[in-house]
Amino acid sequence: GQNIDQPTEMTATEGAIVQINCTYQTSGFNGLFWYQQHAGEAPTFLSYNVLDGLEEKGRFSSFLSRSKGYSYLLLKELQMKDSASYLCAVRDADYKLSFGAGTTVTVRA
Amino acid sequence: IAGITQAPTSQILAAGRRMTLRCTQDMRHNAMYWYRQDLGLGLRLIHYSNTAGTTGKGEVPDGYSVSRANTDDFPLTLASAVPSQTSVYFCASSSGGDTGELFFGEGSRLTVL
Repeated sequence: GQNIDQPTEMTATEGAIVQINCTYQTSGFNGLFWYQQHAGEAPTFLSYNVLDGLEEKGRFSSFLSRSKGYSYLLLKELQMKDSASYLCAVRDADYKLSFGAGTTVTVRA
Repeated sequence: IAGITQAPTSQILAAGRRMTLRCTQDMRHNAMYWYRQDLGLGLRLIHYSNTAGTTGKGEVPDGYSVSRANTDDFPLTLASAVPSQTSVYFCASSSGGDTGELFFGEGSRLTVL
């Protein structure tokens, strides 16, 4: 099974940078995903890492270290619309996705 | 383009009643999933199906059943609803492959009294 930990809440100022950490323990690793979920809405895909290193996609970047069971999502140039929950998810060898409880990010003006 | 459609969007149900949540996708994805989302617990996998005709149990399958008669439809049934099944239910699908990102429906909010 999977054991996925991420902080419950984070607050940052508009224009700043926030890093959301995620640690995991898994019986079979087949990729790590980050999803964004605005209140009352469905989760939407942000990023995918299967190899060690940094994946950059615009203002968002995601990092993976498989040996440490660690990932982070970096949000740069924060905007008010980035206020949302960010979900770390690990895929196992059977292609099932397990989610962490999510990190609620609040962006303040 | 519909993507994934769930019905109903919201339902209040008396304990002991039978309820089926419907999920239909038009993306011809092989894999489909049912999750429940509860405050503080995140998304938990109930059941999944890697292809039509097959299903599997997730993390919290008790009290739920699914069927996958064809590629497009993946209904979730609560045989006898209990208050602890009050939750938001999300259906998702995936094409598989390397990235295999999940595409989610808009969710079904179920309240069992």
